Amino acid sequence: AQSVTQLDSQVPVFEEAPVELRCNYSSSVSVYLFWYVQYPNQGLQLLLKYLSGSTLVKGINGFEAEFNKSQTSFHLRKPSVHISDTAEYFCAVSETGTASKLTFGTGTRLQVTL
Amino acid sequence: KAGVTQTPRYLIKTRGQQVTLSCSPISGHRSVSWYQQTPGQGLQFLFEYFSETQRNKGNFPGRFSGRQFSNSRSEMNVSTLELGDSALYLCASSYRASNEKLFFGSGTQLSVL
Repeated sequence: AQSVTQLDSQVPVFEEAPVELRCNYSSSVSVYLFWYVQYPNQGLQLLLKYLSGSTLVKGINGFEAEFNKSQTSFHLRKPSVHISDTAEYFCAVSETGTASKLTFGTGTRLQVTL
Repeated sequence: KAGVTQTPRYLIKTRGQQVTLSCSPISGHRSVSWYQQTPGQGLQFLFEYFSETQRNKGNFPGRFSGRQFSNSRSEMNVSTLELGDSALYLCASSYRASNEKLFFGSGTQLSVL
């Protein structure tokens, strides 16, 4: 079984500042890693995913994440945030053979202010 | 191309009743997965259907069931509703089973009184 820990429940940041949302996972098997974003009253939208290969993954809206196997981390970063990035962000993991069966973290609320 | 459509958007039921939620996947997608989202337990996987067969199942009691039709539309049923079943139920579709490219609908918000 896998588990995901999102270390920060809330992250306040000023517009145009950089941000990092932290995610650590635990698994005894090979995994895929994901970051999803959820805007109010909406479903989840995939930001980026790591399946294999390069450990630096670039996603939509200027987000990127780095897979670190030794530290079992998959932190999400953006060099300059915008007000419209205010949302809930979820890190998720799945076994490579059952990619649609996601285990989610508890989420991080990113609050961007002027 | 239309996205994943979930109906109804909101639902209010009382304890002991049963409820059926519907999910229409993106055209051409044959796999549908269901997730429950609550403030206390977060996002949890319920089950996945592909070609009318359940492929994966999460750790939910038998009161939670689903099915998929030949046109890939899926329904989820919860019988004997409990207060703790109040949640946002999200459906996701993908082209094939166990695929990492999931497209989520906006969900059905179920309130159990």
